[in-house]
Amino acid sequence: DTEVTQTPKHLVMGMTNKKSLKCEQHMGHRAMYWYKQKAKKPPELMFVYSYEKLSINESVPSRFSPECPNSSLLNLHLHALQPEDSALYLCASSQQVYEKLFFGSGTQLSVL
Amino acid sequence: AQSVTQPDIHITVSEGASLELRCNYSYGATPYLFWYVQSPGQGLQLLLKYFSGDTLVQGIKGFEAEFKRSQSSFNLRKPSVHWSDAAEYFCAVGSYNQGGKLIFGQGTELSVKP
Repeated sequence: DTEVTQTPKHLVMGMTNKKSLKCEQHMGHRAMYWYKQKAKKPPELMFVYSYEKLSINESVPSRFSPECPNSSLLNLHLHALQPEDSALYLCASSQQVYEKLFFGSGTQLSVL
Repeated sequence: AQSVTQPDIHITVSEGASLELRCNYSYGATPYLFWYVQSPGQGLQLLLKYFSGDTLVQGIKGFEAEFKRSQSSFNLRKPSVHWSDAAEYFCAVGSYNQGGKLIFGQGTELSVKP
């Protein structure tokens, strides 16, 4: 299994909603990442988890809350988002940090 | 400051023609480099990577790239482009003192004419 699976594929939420994005991999990777990508732009790193510990937070607003319950799962909890947070949210994993990343197909998020 | 530059925002080539996508980087430490490809609304797929060793690296789908330290470049090439190669291409650079953080270039959109 060489896939990173993200659910849901599409999400529409209001500014007062709470929702979660889920990412799963079964490749035994010990590093997992969240990226945000706006249309026609490169991915921007949000968070890095290494061995289930948060190792990088790129000054992301607290309305985004990551969680790594175990080595295969990565969640991104969303609360009180703004319309400008609408984007494609990509999860990725790698054997270790500094290794090649495997990306999921993303969650297309729209905040109304 | 660390940076990655892809000078060409959009390139159009004819099917069967050769392709070269440019990537230049500015890094204080020894970098490692990737090329990724992305189709609309999809995740990124790794084409190839360079960490060390042979500076000419082969990737999937017939792509290759050459690391030139003296020119701070990592250009992607393909001898004969197929219509299915139309996509967005990203160069990405990291270094061993950045904790796994990659810096992506702005991307080059490739269109293929029949």
